[in-house]
Amino acid sequence: SQQGEEDPQALSIQEGENATMNCSYKTSINNLQWYRQNSGRGLVHLILIRSNEREKHSGRLRVTLDTSKKSSSLLITASRAADTASYFCATDITGGFKTIFGAGTRLFVKA
Amino acid sequence: SAVISQKPSRDICQRGTSLTIQCQVDSQVTMMFWYRQQPGQSLTLIATANQGSEATYESGFVIDKFPISRPNLTFSTLTVSNLSPEDSSIYLCSVGSYNEQFFGPGTRLTVL
Repeated sequence: SQQGEEDPQALSIQEGENATMNCSYKTSINNLQWYRQNSGRGLVHLILIRSNEREKHSGRLRVTLDTSKKSSSLLITASRAADTASYFCATDITGGFKTIFGAGTRLFVKA
Repeated sequence: SAVISQKPSRDICQRGTSLTIQCQVDSQVTMMFWYRQQPGQSLTLIATANQGSEATYESGFVIDKFPISRPNLTFSTLTVSNLSPEDSSIYLCSVGSYNEQFFGPGTRLTVL
């Protein structure tokens, strides 16, 4: 069964605006990752946040993790048309040996 | 990091036939993963392939339908057998650990 549920399913914003995507999961995790997928191609790893971390930054990306609520958010600041893609959260389950991907958010950034 | 290539990039197949997808990695890796991504959906893990042992399949996926080979530490194949239109998906291989995975570009399969 799918571990991560993401919202919104789709998001359309203007270039320069911020985009926020949320991910919820069901079981205890070791870490949570965010990936980007451009137009049905392979996924690219964006950032990892460990279960004992609350916030992490990488360039224009900011990820938060709330293990008490079993949720994470990905913020992309000052979005660009090139950020148009699908974004997936993925969790490494405690005691498990695989990565489970969420349903994904489709982001469309209008120039 | 790892660079992964997949062949073919896309294919259109008739129902009842099979398609074998190749995944090549530019470095030796222990674990390789095969995923299916149905249209507009997320990724679903099909199986984990370790060199020298049988692949481990996830619930809902069986070896007869998705046989996997892993002859060495840089290569793997996934065969999708007895194709039906429901098998139309993108198939992705990946390598890495549970901290980070590197994905191939995917194989887009359309079954008519």
